[in-house]
Amino acid sequence: AQKVTQAQTEISVVEKEDVTLDCVYETRDTTYYLFWYKQPPSGELVFLIRRNSFDEQNEISGRYSWNFQKSTSSFNFTITASQVVDSAVYFCALPSEGGSEKLVFGKGTKLTVNP
Amino acid sequence: EPEVTQTPSHQVTQMGQEVILRCVPISNHLYFYWYRQILGQKVEFLVSFYNNEISEKSEIFDDQFSVERPDGSNFTLKIRSTKLEDSAMYFCASSDPGSPNPNQPQHFGDGTRLSIL
Repeated sequence: AQKVTQAQTEISVVEKEDVTLDCVYETRDTTYYLFWYKQPPSGELVFLIRRNSFDEQNEISGRYSWNFQKSTSSFNFTITASQVVDSAVYFCALPSEGGSEKLVFGKGTKLTVNP
Repeated sequence: EPEVTQTPSHQVTQMGQEVILRCVPISNHLYFYWYRQILGQKVEFLVSFYNNEISEKSEIFDDQFSVERPDGSNFTLKIRSTKLEDSAMYFCASSDPGSPNPNQPQHFGDGTRLSIL
């Protein structure tokens, strides 16, 4: 069965520091997609990125970047020059096996960026 | 930008009462979902709905739960006889199937916080 592990429960950094959030996954599917979502203190879930297993190129979007390593089943998320507004819980997610649309979420990493 | 809207934002209900959570998915989306998040825990899948029927459900989604798309815009989650452990944030989401590319991003509403007393 699919499994998503976010080993870092909480991370605290000072503004402008770079921070990497780890995500390790397990799947028996040969092709699959991976997702990151952000949950700010207000509680909503905000989609950040969808990545397919065919493409191992790093993705960059502004201060956000994602490193996908199929060999280690990891999909890590880096925030460069962190800001207070980045404070949130970040979830990594993977669809359930066999083409299911059901998302399996990790337990999340709570990031606190201090001024 | 189109978004998923959920009402109410907070629902307080006595144990044993029925509750209906409402959602308006993004208009051109065809897949609809409900997830829940017990306070401080991870987000858990409840049910997915496509082509006017349940396409998948989790073990959490027992006979006390039901979903309905009563018209062309709303998608509801009903809990028939609420229990204390149903207290959670309930998220509605929708996605565009985007065939032949599966697993399009699911866009979530702001959630309904359900408190069972």
